[in-house]
Amino acid sequence: GENVGLHLPTLSVQEGDNSIINCAYSNSASDYFIWYKQESGKGPQFIIDIRSNMDKRQGQRVTVLLNKTVKHLSLQIAATQPGDSAVYFCAVKDSGGGADGLTFGKGTHLIIQP
Amino acid sequence: DAGVTQSPTHLIKTRGQQVTLRCSPISGHKSVSWYQQVLGQGPQFIFQYYEKEERGRGNFPDRFSARQFPNYSSELNVNALLLGDSALYLCASSLIPTGDYSNQPQHFGDGTRLSIL
Repeated sequence: GENVGLHLPTLSVQEGDNSIINCAYSNSASDYFIWYKQESGKGPQFIIDIRSNMDKRQGQRVTVLLNKTVKHLSLQIAATQPGDSAVYFCAVKDSGGGADGLTFGKGTHLIIQP
Repeated sequence: DAGVTQSPTHLIKTRGQQVTLRCSPISGHKSVSWYQQVLGQGPQFIFQYYEKEERGRGNFPDRFSARQFPNYSSELNVNALLLGDSALYLCASSLIPTGDYSNQPQHFGDGTRLSIL
């Protein structure tokens, strides 16, 4: 089975700084990765995804980096804003065939300091 | 456009009872997945359905069951409730099952908060 972990349960950054949230996974057969943002009282909100045939993908103020050699991915948020405060999860899909669910990490709580 | 909708938003039950949770996917999405999220943890996969058939199952006991209807909506049933079933139950939809042919992101609803007394 897949194990997905995040390096830090809490990350505190100054407003306007860049944030980097890390995630490690265990299964080298994993082929699809998603970052979600979850605010209090709400469900996870899709941020960005990346497939295993890529090592970088950019969205609006966000960049995901994938290093398959060390089984690590990161989410970079540029110019962090107060609205970025939330818990961030990485989710991983294995390429085992069929349709299975995503395996989530435990989450990193991003706190924005004014 | 409406996102994934779930009902009810909150529910209180006692041990031994049964519960049914409902989910309507994003319009056009044919696959629905269910997850359980315990406080302080990431969501844990329960079921995935596509075209009314179960396509995947996580490590949950047989007390948990689900079904998908012709309009792609879905229900999750839990029998003989235990205190440990207290959690946020999340429904997610995608165009096709994540993993089939091309990876599609799952989009989540805001969940049903189930409390067992």
